[in-house]
Amino acid sequence: AQTVTQSQPEMSVQEAETVTLSCTYDTSESNYYLFWYKQPPSRQMILVIRQEAYKQQNATENRFSVNFQKAAKSFSLKISDSQLGDTAMYFCAFMKHATNYGQNFVFGPGTRLSVLP
Amino acid sequence: KAGVTQTPRYLIKTRGQQVTLSCSPISGHRSVSWYQQTPGQGLQFLFEYFSETQRNKGNFPGRFSGRQFSNSRSEMNVSTLELGDSALYLCASSFWGGNEQFFGPGTRLTVL
Repeated sequence: AQTVTQSQPEMSVQEAETVTLSCTYDTSESNYYLFWYKQPPSRQMILVIRQEAYKQQNATENRFSVNFQKAAKSFSLKISDSQLGDTAMYFCAFMKHATNYGQNFVFGPGTRLSVLP
Repeated sequence: KAGVTQTPRYLIKTRGQQVTLSCSPISGHRSVSWYQQTPGQGLQFLFEYFSETQRNKGNFPGRFSGRQFSNSRSEMNVSTLELGDSALYLCASSFWGGNEQFFGPGTRLTVL
């Protein structure tokens, strides 16, 4: 079974600074996807960024980028120029390639990020 | 395009009662998954439906059940409610084989 670990329960960063959230996972699959989701106080889960395991290039979405190390099974999220609106719970998630037995989405425990003015 | 909708948004029940939650996926999405979110256990997978068939199930007791209709709308039911069932229940939809799930706003269930 796949597991996802986020070793930082809470983090804080000053507005406009850069912060990196860590995520490691364990799997024997070779074909899978990794995600970072954000859950602000409104509780709405929002996709931040996704990475296909077969792609060497790290995904980037505006101020958000990942450092995907497949051999090390590491998938960290870097937030540049942090904004107050980035304050949220961040979840790392793993999904193996879909089969007839389902898509098997597994979430980490989350990291609570506070952006300080 | 409308997002995933969940009804009701809030529910208060007492122990021993049963409850039904509803989820309408994004148009065209045929896969619906349900998650339970609590402060202590985090996000836990309940089950996934595709084409009215349960494809995958998490480690929850049989009191938790679900179904999916031909229009892809899904319901989950919890019978004989316990205090520990108090949680935010999230529904997510996706294309089958798609690599992204879209989440609804959740239903906050409180069991007294």
